[in-house]
Amino acid sequence: LAKTTQPISMDSYEGQEVNITCSHNNIATNDYITWYQQFPSQGPRFIIQGYKTKVTNEVASLFIPADRKSSTLSLPRVSLSDTAVYYCLVGDMDNAGNMLTFGGGTRLMVKP
Amino acid sequence: DADVTQTPRNRITKTGKRIMLECSQTKGHDRMYWYRQDPGLGLRLIYYSFDVKDINKGEISDGYSVSRQAQAKFSLSLESAIPNQTALYFCATSDSNEQFFGPGTRLTVL
Repeated sequence: LAKTTQPISMDSYEGQEVNITCSHNNIATNDYITWYQQFPSQGPRFIIQGYKTKVTNEVASLFIPADRKSSTLSLPRVSLSDTAVYYCLVGDMDNAGNMLTFGGGTRLMVKP
Repeated sequence: DADVTQTPRNRITKTGKRIMLECSQTKGHDRMYWYRQDPGLGLRLIYYSFDVKDINKGEISDGYSVSRQAQAKFSLSLESAIPNQTALYFCATSDSNEQFFGPGTRLTVL
């Protein structure tokens, strides 16, 4: 089971780009990388998922280097509503048991 | 996510009582999960089920049991609640790509 390491917290200002990096040194060949966002007293919400290189959707980009031992979630032009906890998960999509470890996450505070 | 509902949303109970938390989903997913979250911490997996006939223990299953009554329903029971089971409980469903979480049940055991 791949373990992930993320910064405990980050601060940013409205309009800035925020990059949150996750380390997963023992990622396995079949593992995918998934990021979730959680607001207080709500369940986590899927943001983005990737296997290698770069993935982009309407809310974020995910950068994965060739060795896949880390990944970076990029949030463009954050707003106050992006203040939340962000979790990085690593696991095998065909074996859901491996996708189910949420670490402590990164608490992002966006300031005006 | 309105597709995953949990009842009750809040519950206060006493030590030793039996408690059941209900989860229902309309997403048609086979996979369902129960997590707990303690203040300031990440989610920890209690049990998960890949289909109606499949039940698996998660990281912290002691003191809990589950029932998968149908594809759409997955219940979590605390047979004899204790104060350290006070937490926020989330149910989730998934396809092979992402998990969809319910709104959570805030349980307080006095």
